[in-house]
Amino acid sequence: EAGVAQSPRYKIIEKRQSVAFWCNPISGHATLYWYQQILGQGPKLLIQFQNNGVVDDSQLPKDRFSAERLKGVDSTLKIQPAKLEDSAVYLCASSLGLRQGPHYNSPLHFGNGTRLTVT
Amino acid sequence: GENVEQHPSTLSVQEGDSAVIKCTYSDSASNYFPWYKQELGKGPQLIIDIRSNVGEKKDQRIAVTLNKTAKHFSLHITETQPEDSAVYFCAASGGSQGNLIFGKGTKLSVKP
Repeated sequence: EAGVAQSPRYKIIEKRQSVAFWCNPISGHATLYWYQQILGQGPKLLIQFQNNGVVDDSQLPKDRFSAERLKGVDSTLKIQPAKLEDSAVYLCASSLGLRQGPHYNSPLHFGNGTRLTVT
Repeated sequence: GENVEQHPSTLSVQEGDSAVIKCTYSDSASNYFPWYKQELGKGPQLIIDIRSNVGEKKDQRIAVTLNKTAKHFSLHITETQPEDSAVYFCAASGGSQGNLIFGKGTKLSVKP
């Protein structure tokens, strides 16, 4: 099966500019996630979608970050305006899981990420 | 909320030796514990996972053990090979939606 596709692979912007990332999950995967991975750390969840609805966005800095998943397939993550501390790799992941509360998990499949550098 | 601690942060072994990475978690309600391998420039890849109703799971050279009472779980890699060199992350399900909380990672280097 084709994996999770992300673009672009790299992006360099100046602070206060805007940027958008795109993700195409594995076909048939209902759940889509955006993670932020700062250098030397583990991935941190920003937002989780199930089909085209938001399930968890408690860690998303909503004053500058936004995300959408149109038609329950592709997703975009936007940052506007960017700050220096937003420099990180932005990972998209998808899973089959229709979550049945916290007692069911299906494996996450990650894309290769977009490396963002804010100068 | 859930907190996952991972040790060591770096690990260097000789080819053929075993490697062990340990993680502890704080939320006793966590019930799913995957391990991911991340190579340079790539996204994390699932290598093995374990659920709370199982104490140990093996897949060829890789095994994971879980101690629910002590709230810790470990990754064991036997007969290490240079291609095992990567950053390894443990994770535990936590939060209201059971989302994964990741450790900070262990950089494993296998020297030929």
